[in-house]
Amino acid sequence: QVQVVQSGAEVRKPGASVKVSCKASGYTFSDYYIHWVRQAPGQGLEWMGWINLNSGGAHYAQKFQGWVSMTRDTSISTAYLELTSLKSDDTAVYSCARGGAFSGGRFSFYHFDFWGQGSLVTVSS
Amino acid sequence: QSALTQPASVSGSPGQSITISCTGTSSDVGSYNLVSWYQHHPGKAPKFMIYEGNKRPSGVSNRFSGSKSGNTASLTISGLQAEDEADYYCCSYSGASTWVFGGGTKLTVL
Repeated sequence: QVQVVQSGAEVRKPGASVKVSCKASGYTFSDYYIHWVRQAPGQGLEWMGWINLNSGGAHYAQKFQGWVSMTRDTSISTAYLELTSLKSDDTAVYSCARGGAFSGGRFSFYHFDFWGQGSLVTVSS
Repeated sequence: QSALTQPASVSGSPGQSITISCTGTSSDVGSYNLVSWYQHHPGKAPKFMIYEGNKRPSGVSNRFSGSKSGNTASLTISGLQAEDEADYYCCSYSGASTWVFGGGTKLTVL
């Protein structure tokens, strides 16, 4: 069965970086994309972007361009989200979710069918 | 890219029906029949309930249904049960390989 397991909670000081991992199993890793979504305390879900697990190419929501990086290691079926220059308002639960792959001019599906349990990142001095 | 608009909260008694709206624009909800809905119990992974506006994945109760009219999508839950109490989020494809979520709605079962 499909499982998506994320790394544990992290605490960082403002200005630091953090890398969250997302390990998938139960399916062919590179056949899908991984999306990242965050939820700040008391706020709703916010879409951050996706990574093509086959090519490694990524696409980011505008507000995350330049300071967020999505990568993957196909040998261990793991995707990563790296956040740099952290600020206190980046404190949030960061979740990965499986999405459809892009092929033939369209995505195979447009929803997120399996999610990780979320990784809390706390930014505090 | 602004979040889709959802009511902050809705409530209903067991057995009743409730509807949660999700209002976007002609660039997202109005342009694509690609709205999905997620049930989120705090501390747990979100569970996807509806895709492509009105389709249910296997294993999701037929008490959950989706619809769309213009720039507004809706999730209806009939025969409310205590375990339906959760936060619900809509999400729409918004073109150019981007997605946008709603602000979330807290459902209280009275």
